[in-house]
Amino acid sequence: AQTVTQSQPEMSVQEAETVTLSCTYDTSESNYYLFWYKQPPSRQMILVIRQEAYKQQNATENRFSVNFQKAAKSFSLKISDSQLGDTAMYFCAFMKPRDDKIIFGKGTRLHILP
Amino acid sequence: DAGVIQSPRHEVTEMGQEVTLRCKPISGHDYLFWYRQTMMRGLELLIYFNNNVPIDDSGMPEDRFSAKMPNASFSTLKIQPSEPRDSAVYFCASSPGLQGDGTGELFFGEGSRLTVL
Repeated sequence: AQTVTQSQPEMSVQEAETVTLSCTYDTSESNYYLFWYKQPPSRQMILVIRQEAYKQQNATENRFSVNFQKAAKSFSLKISDSQLGDTAMYFCAFMKPRDDKIIFGKGTRLHILP
Repeated sequence: DAGVIQSPRHEVTEMGQEVTLRCKPISGHDYLFWYRQTMMRGLELLIYFNNNVPIDDSGMPEDRFSAKMPNASFSTLKIQPSEPRDSAVYFCASSPGLQGDGTGELFFGEGSRLTVL
């Protein structure tokens, strides 16, 4: 079975700093999808960024980028120029295309400090 | 589209009572997922449906939990009888999957916070 591990339960950084959230996963699949989701205090979960395992290029979305290391089964999220609105719970997630089931890590609570 | 709609937002009940959580997915999405979120266990997948058919219910904790999807626009998650350890936030999410232009993205509702006393 696939597992997703987020080793940092909680982090705090100053506004405008860069922060990296870690995620590792375990799978025997060669093709799969990885996601980072954000859950702000309002509770609504939204997609931040998505990576397809067969693409070597790291995905980027504005201030958000990933460092995808397939051999190491690592998928970290980098937030550049962090803003107060980035304060949230961040979840790493894995999906195997054949069954479309999405498994989440336990999350990292990120605090951006003014 | 209004997004995924869940009800109720909050539910407080006593142990032993039946609880029914409801979800209306985004129109056109083939997949519907039920997740449970707690501090200790994070986000757990309980069950998911494809085209109204349950595909994987291995995450359902025990027989007290049941889920149905009678049509493409409605799903329920029922707990009978409820217990204090069922207290959690329950999320419903829908997805177009990977078919066509689908990216596999999940679209979440706002969640139902359940407290069982």
